[in-house]
Amino acid sequence: QKEVEQDPGPLSVPEGAIVSLNCTYSNSAFQYFMWYRQYSRKGPELLMYTYSSGNKEDGRFTAQVDKSSKYISLFIRDSQPSDSATYLCAQGGGGYNKLIFGAGTRLAVHP
Amino acid sequence: DTAVSQTPKYLVTQMGNDKSIKCEQNLGHDTMYWYKQDSKKFLKIMFSYNNKELIINETVPNRFSPKSPDKAHLNLHINSLELGDSAVYFCASSQGTGDNSPLHFGNGTRLTVT
Repeated sequence: QKEVEQDPGPLSVPEGAIVSLNCTYSNSAFQYFMWYRQYSRKGPELLMYTYSSGNKEDGRFTAQVDKSSKYISLFIRDSQPSDSATYLCAQGGGGYNKLIFGAGTRLAVHP
Repeated sequence: DTAVSQTPKYLVTQMGNDKSIKCEQNLGHDTMYWYKQDSKKFLKIMFSYNNKELIINETVPNRFSPKSPDKAHLNLHINSLELGDSAVYFCASSQGTGDNSPLHFGNGTRLTVT
């Protein structure tokens, strides 16, 4: 059983749209949640990080954790073509910074 | 000024060969990792070193042997390469082993075994 599930997409939206990316997780004991962005042929880079539950906002990006439903979300407002990438959710908390990644959702924002 | 650099960027080789991938970070971090990303984009941890000591060793065939000569370097040697080893291998580093330490990834080594 996969521990972090993520719809691989692809997701295609017009420029300016609000994008919602989602993951579910199974292990309630791990309370660190991250979103990484990966451009084609590049390594993942950390976009957002949250601990436990609630919302965190950074510019056009909002990360949300709903512990009751074991749901992690990333919202992108006013999406731009430069947001086109694969978005990976990850969960940590088991020690030694060992992250469990979702499969990644490929997002394409077209002008 | 690349923070985490890997060489080579591409590696094409035949089954049965032995190959190495090198990684260097100039961030002053004390923890380094190897991750494998398969064709379905799943990123899975293989190994982690903290101050040159192995701290994570996932269920990886013992044909894979990491080596950390110092805190800034972590190399991966693969013996007797198999078709299933084809993947992108990412090196990463972090400051410490805390569960909230951001990972800094290199740009990957694309390994193709024919």
